[in-house]
Amino acid sequence: SQQGEEDPQALSIQEGENATMNCSYKTSINNLQWYRQNSGRGLVHLILIRSNEREKHSGRLRVTLDTSKKSSSLLITASRAADTASYFCATQLKETSGSRLTFGEGTQLTVNP
Amino acid sequence: NAGVTQTPKFQVLKTGQSMTLQCAQDMNHEYMSWYRQDPGMGLRLIHYSVGAGITDQGEVPNGYNVSRSTTEDFPLRLLSAAPSQTSVYFCASSYTRDSYGYTFGSGTRLTVV
Repeated sequence: SQQGEEDPQALSIQEGENATMNCSYKTSINNLQWYRQNSGRGLVHLILIRSNEREKHSGRLRVTLDTSKKSSSLLITASRAADTASYFCATQLKETSGSRLTFGEGTQLTVNP
Repeated sequence: NAGVTQTPKFQVLKTGQSMTLQCAQDMNHEYMSWYRQDPGMGLRLIHYSVGAGITDQGEVPNGYNVSRSTTEDFPLRLLSAAPSQTSVYFCASSYTRDSYGYTFGSGTRLTVV
């Protein structure tokens, strides 16, 4: 079964708006990561947040982590048409260390020009 | 260019045929993994390796074999292809420390008829 679940499954916004995607997971983690996948391409690592961190920024990306609620959110500010892609959260579980990632089913983001 | 190289990009097999999907990385990463991606199911881990000579099963290992004779290469073998193995396959690699994300290859689209 999937460890992570993203919400919403699909999101459509206008260029310049902010996009927020959420991820929930079930068991204790070492870290949580977000990836982007453009249509027909491989996944690209965006950002990693450790279990002892609450918030992390990278450019227009802001990730939060709430371990008490077992949830994370990815915020993309001032979205662009080029941000159109699928976004996946992935968790590294405490008991398996860094050798395994467990992915959610992804959020399809469409940014309309 | 440094990265993860997968070959072939596309493959059509007949039921019962065997084949090997190739994966190579030139970043001296210790961790390597194989995932399959099916519509609506995110990425599921097939097999993974924490270093040369060490492999282990992931979430969906049946019908697949792997070996890791060198740090660079991690081939995935389909023993007797079945239509249920029609999917997009991704190879990924990472350093061992938990603060790094994974680098993904561009994928192999496999169709079994």
